[in-house]
Amino acid sequence: KAGVTQTPRYLIKTRGQQVTLSCSPISGHRSVSWYQQTPGQGLQFLFEYFSETQRNKGNFPGRFSGRQFSNSRSEMNVSTLELGDSALYLCASSLASFNEQFFGPGTRLTVL
Amino acid sequence: AQKVTQAQTEISVVEKEDVTLDCVYETRDTTYYLFWYKQPPSGELVFLIRRNSFDEQNEISGRYSWNFQKSTSSFNFTITASQVVDSAVYFCALSDYNAGNNRKLIWGLGTSLAVNP
Repeated sequence: KAGVTQTPRYLIKTRGQQVTLSCSPISGHRSVSWYQQTPGQGLQFLFEYFSETQRNKGNFPGRFSGRQFSNSRSEMNVSTLELGDSALYLCASSLASFNEQFFGPGTRLTVL
Repeated sequence: AQKVTQAQTEISVVEKEDVTLDCVYETRDTTYYLFWYKQPPSGELVFLIRRNSFDEQNEISGRYSWNFQKSTSSFNFTITASQVVDSAVYFCALSDYNAGNNRKLIWGLGTSLAVNP
């Protein structure tokens, strides 16, 4: 069974640009959650999608958005990048919300 | 507000020692879930356990055991006879159990465990 995949693995962007990250969940998993991980703030929940609908949302500004497609693949978009957005962005999939989650390797975003 | 505190930032032990990682949580919900995840140096988080608030039985899985005590709002994790491969960052997390939307998963800042040979 293939695991959670995330692309790209590394990204370098400049302030003001936008970025789109992609996540392919484990086959059969309908819940996809996104997290931001930084040394100072730790892991912070961004949002969760289930069957193409955003079901849960963390406390992030509207510059952070996402969507989920009918095949459960999910994308996360960050617009107007700021230096503080530099982080490891993790995607996790599960059968149901906040069940056992399987994490991808993450996308390392660096904003210059 | 919900909160998870892992007071131990870093722990260093020698192989074969037992080690306990502390997790204290705050929530006003009566129904909630608690989790432990492991993040080895390779980076991918690995699920270890989920416990709901109605199940206070301790759990043992091989060398791993978990002690859930609602009276002290703690969900501590013990590794018995630690091994070098246990070196990782361990996260405790809490989620509520609202039937509707707007659930959140709150994470502790993690405890970095180094097991030395």
